[in-house]
Amino acid sequence: AQSVAQPEDQVNVAEGNPLTVKCTYSVSGNPYLFWYVQYPNRGLQFLLKYITGDNLVKGSYGFEAEFNKSQTSFHLKKPSALVSDSALYFCAVRPSGGQNFVFGPGTRLSVLP
Amino acid sequence: NAGVTQTPKFRILKIGQSMTLQCTQDMNHNYMYWYRQDPGMGLKLIYYSVGAGITDKGEVPNGYNVSRSTTEDFPLRLELAAPSQTSVYFCASSGTAGDTIYFGEGSWLTVV
Repeated sequence: AQSVAQPEDQVNVAEGNPLTVKCTYSVSGNPYLFWYVQYPNRGLQFLLKYITGDNLVKGSYGFEAEFNKSQTSFHLKKPSALVSDSALYFCAVRPSGGQNFVFGPGTRLSVLP
Repeated sequence: NAGVTQTPKFRILKIGQSMTLQCTQDMNHNYMYWYRQDPGMGLKLIYYSVGAGITDKGEVPNGYNVSRSTTEDFPLRLELAAPSQTSVYFCASSGTAGDTIYFGEGSWLTVV
């Protein structure tokens, strides 16, 4: 069965510091991997995705993620955090050829001024 | 750019009432989904559809029904509302495999 784990419920980081939000997955075949962000009382917004090719993927708002096949991970990173990055972040996987997305439980990021 | 549109945004239901959450997308996507998000929790798939006339159950389908008569519309019906159905409901759509999933803004439902 497909699954996505986000091992940290909450990540706190000081503004200006680098941030990492972790994601590991379990899926058969080659996965399509996604990161989404959710601001309070809003829907989920797409940040970036990995389909194939370069393991480092760049996305919206300065975020990037690194696909590591051997570790089955897809960690979200940003070199310098902003207070406005504070939100709930979801990792998702869609098996290649699959119909559904599987979402992780979410990680709440707090960037402290 | 409309994307995925859900209505209503907010609704309060009494126990035992029924209602339909409307969802429409203008991106000609084949795949459509309904998720629920309970406070502080992740997303749980209720139902999904891979095209007009085709629907299938997700992780938590009990108490809900869907239909997909057109590519654009994917309404979610709640029959005999229960307090356990108090949640935020998100409709979403995506194209072919590898495509991004796009979400609506959510519908906040309270059953009292």
